[in-house]
Amino acid sequence: DVKVTQSSRYLVKRTGEKVFLECVQDMDHENMFWYRQDPGLGLRLIYFSYDVKMKEKGDIPEGYSVSREKKERFSLILESASTNQTSMYLCASSSSLGPTQYFGPGTRLTVT
Amino acid sequence: QQPVQSPQAVILREGEDAVINCSSSKALYSVHWYRQKHGEAPVFLMILLKGGEQKGHEKISASFNEKKQQSSLYLTASQLSYSGTYFCGSYGGATNKLIFGTGTLLAVQP
Repeated sequence: DVKVTQSSRYLVKRTGEKVFLECVQDMDHENMFWYRQDPGLGLRLIYFSYDVKMKEKGDIPEGYSVSREKKERFSLILESASTNQTSMYLCASSSSLGPTQYFGPGTRLTVT
Repeated sequence: QQPVQSPQAVILREGEDAVINCSSSKALYSVHWYRQKHGEAPVFLMILLKGGEQKGHEKISASFNEKKQQSSLYLTASQLSYSGTYFCGSYGGATNKLIFGTGTLLAVQP
């Protein structure tokens, strides 16, 4: 079974802090994604990566950056957390052979 | 452009049927359906390819009309285990990414 893990299920940070969200997949997938999930807005793509050290902006990249130094690991960085970044963050991965994605359990981030 | 799903939320009794719709403003190569149970990760249900074929998973089936750029998910004789949020994902064929819809919250009550 594909396994995608995220470093924390729940996280509480203060405004202005730098926040790191980590995602690891064990299926040797080329593609990795970061989404945020908000009620009524569904899943919105923040960034994705199709190879090590490669990244592309999604639909809502403002206020976020990413890092992919190893194939299995994709990090989402909030340089200076703000209250409007309080949300559920989901990581996913997929093979280059097809678009089906496998998701991690999510990190619920609260910024106070 | 994010696909729009309707309804936003639906409440059912066990055994009732429901339909969830997904409409895209862009041409689609395929449509993917996912279900996210409360507190869990979204899980892939099925993929619909061009050709209008129907797919099935348990008593859940779906159709895809590429001309109308729409897909519908049919839940027949719903069970408590069907509760969750359903997402459609549109795939345009040109990139590796899916564009997910706005989501539909389904609650099945005893």
